[in-house]
Amino acid sequence: DAMVIQNPRYQVTQFGKPVTLSCSQTLNHNVMYWYQQKSSQAPKLLFHYYDKDFNNEADTPDNFQSRRPNTSFCFLDIRSPGLGDTAMYLCATSSSRGNTEAFFGQGTRLTVV
Amino acid sequence: GENVEQHPSTLSVQEGDSAVIKCTYSDSASNYFPWYKQELGKRPQLIIDIRSNVGEKKDQRIAVTLNKTAKHFSLHITETQPEDSAVYFCAASEGGSYIPTFGRGTSLIVHP
Repeated sequence: DAMVIQNPRYQVTQFGKPVTLSCSQTLNHNVMYWYQQKSSQAPKLLFHYYDKDFNNEADTPDNFQSRRPNTSFCFLDIRSPGLGDTAMYLCATSSSRGNTEAFFGQGTRLTVV
Repeated sequence: GENVEQHPSTLSVQEGDSAVIKCTYSDSASNYFPWYKQELGKRPQLIIDIRSNVGEKKDQRIAVTLNKTAKHFSLHITETQPEDSAVYFCAASEGGSYIPTFGRGTSLIVHP
């Protein structure tokens, strides 16, 4: 009964080689988020979608892009990963109606070598 | 924007003791305060939340208190057990923003 599903769980990519992480949800939430979480740190918001509207955080590197083709799916594209992009990437969803909790996926652990 | 400070960064207790984690926030418009538990290698999961119209909420061994005047909220865990060991994150958001801002996390270690 997983509600927010991320694929793959683990990804190893070479320095500079583009990589795409995917997220799907069955909650029909209108907001989807991508967070980057490095070891022993809080999740850091990269960007989020409010319905189809894309909102980028000011300090998110240009290297990171996202697509949301429909309500259920969201993708994180890293165009040219650097070693510093090694991290856990968490997808989350919430409903903007009623200010409710964010539901997180299991995360994708990305290693750049 | 909102800024959430969380203390302590690490908390070590003996099984059966109580644990308290404290957070402060900066935006007086924030009205929703969730707490997430993240076990090693797993997703953050909501354990309890509180809205600004109440001062305290309890769920079995877990309680959260909120002081809106001081912009301060705390997580209390009583009778701690080894399975409570995890990283706990507080967060704050306000209705207009709906995006949670997270504290830096507290690593709770419960020694048997």
